Formats: sequence, C-alpha cells, structure tokens
Amino acid sequence: SQTIHQWPATLVQPVGSPLSLECTVEGTSNPNLYWYRQAAGRGLQLLFYSVGIGQISSEVPQNLSASRPQDRQFILSSKKLLLSDSGFYLCAWTPGGTVYEQYFGPGTRLTVT
Amino acid sequence: AQSVAQPEDQVNVAEGNPLTVKCTYSVSGNPYLFWYVQYPNRGLQFLLKYITGDNLVKGSYGFEAEFNKSQTSFHLKKPSALVSDSALYFCAVPGYSTLTFGKGTMLLVSP
Repeated sequence: SQTIHQWPATLVQPVGSPLSLECTVEGTSNPNLYWYRQAAGRGLQLLFYSVGIGQISSEVPQNLSASRPQDRQFILSSKKLLLSDSGFYLCAWTPGGTVYEQYFGPGTRLTVT
Repeated sequence: AQSVAQPEDQVNVAEGNPLTVKCTYSVSGNPYLFWYVQYPNRGLQFLLKYITGDNLVKGSYGFEAEFNKSQTSFHLKKPSALVSDSALYFCAVPGYSTLTFGKGTMLLVSP
C-alpha cells in the first residue's frame, strides 16, 4: 500500500533563517506531488505541484521554492523565512496523470518567530 | 472555472442527531466531487467521491453524500453524529492541476 511521510512534524524557526521540509511517498511510482499551506483559519492554498522529476509548477509567487530531486521526493525550501510563512504545510500525492483523490501527509506545523 | 462553495463556517449538532454539511458546485460537464475530513493538526483524509452512477454515495466512517444535479449540490450526511466526528470538512472538485477545495466547514458535535 502507499504511504506518504512528512518531516519534521513541527518546526520553530526565526525570521530570516532557511527552511527545508521534506515529503516522500512509498508504494507508488511517478506520482503527482503537491505542496499546500493552510494558514490559521482553514483554507488550503496550493503552493507548488510536480508531475515528474525536476518539473515544478508554482501557483503563487512568494518566498518559497520547491524541488523534486527523486521520483517520490518533494522538498519545500526557503532561503529566508518571513513571519507570514507560518502555517501548516501539507504534502499530497495522486497517481500520475490524474488530479483525482489526493492523499495527504500528516503535515508540518511551522512557526516563524 | 470549476469551483465549490461551502456556505456554512460551522455546523453544530448534538450527538445522536443527523448531520448535514452543505456543498454546492459549479462545473462544466459532468462533475467529479469529493469530501475530505481534517482532524486537528492532521492531514486531510479522503471520505468519499462521486464520479457517476447512484446519487447517494457511501463513504468512510458512516458518512454518505447526496448528489443533486438540479440543485448543483453535494451535501455530506450522517444519520447519527458522534462526538468524534467533530472536525473540519472540505468538499472539492478537480481543477486544472489539482483539486479545488472549498473553504471548509467546522463540524462540532456536542455530547
């Protein structure tokens, strides 16, 4: 069966520090991968998605970047964090070639101080 | 553009009573519709989906959803609410590159 992992689970970082969040998927190949942010409140904001290694699409211009160095690995990064980067970051995947039925990871709670 | 709307920020229901969480959609063509649930500090979990066929779709944890084409609705329902059903619920529809989610409805079930 397929599983999705995210780490770390929680992170507290000072303003201006770098960021690296990692997401990996097991039990499938060539998935579509997604990064979302959920700010206090509730709505989900799509940040990046990837349909293959090295293929990244950005939905929102911002302080963040994403990379997909391996088929089942998706990394969210920042060189200098802002207070507004605080939130709950969710990684998700779908079988390649479809946007249906996304499966989400457990999330990373980021607090920028 | 494909979109969904969840008109209620919060729904309150007593344990044992039936619950309904509302969702309306705006899509071109035949709709594919989804419901997800999010417990505190967790990722979203898939509950159920409508692709085609029966208008009443059954999903996880005793939830079901009723597809109504004339009212463009896909309301989530459960005959008897549990306190453990308290969570944030999202409906969603496929967009160009990903699912488009509603803003979410908080369901609070009181003992």
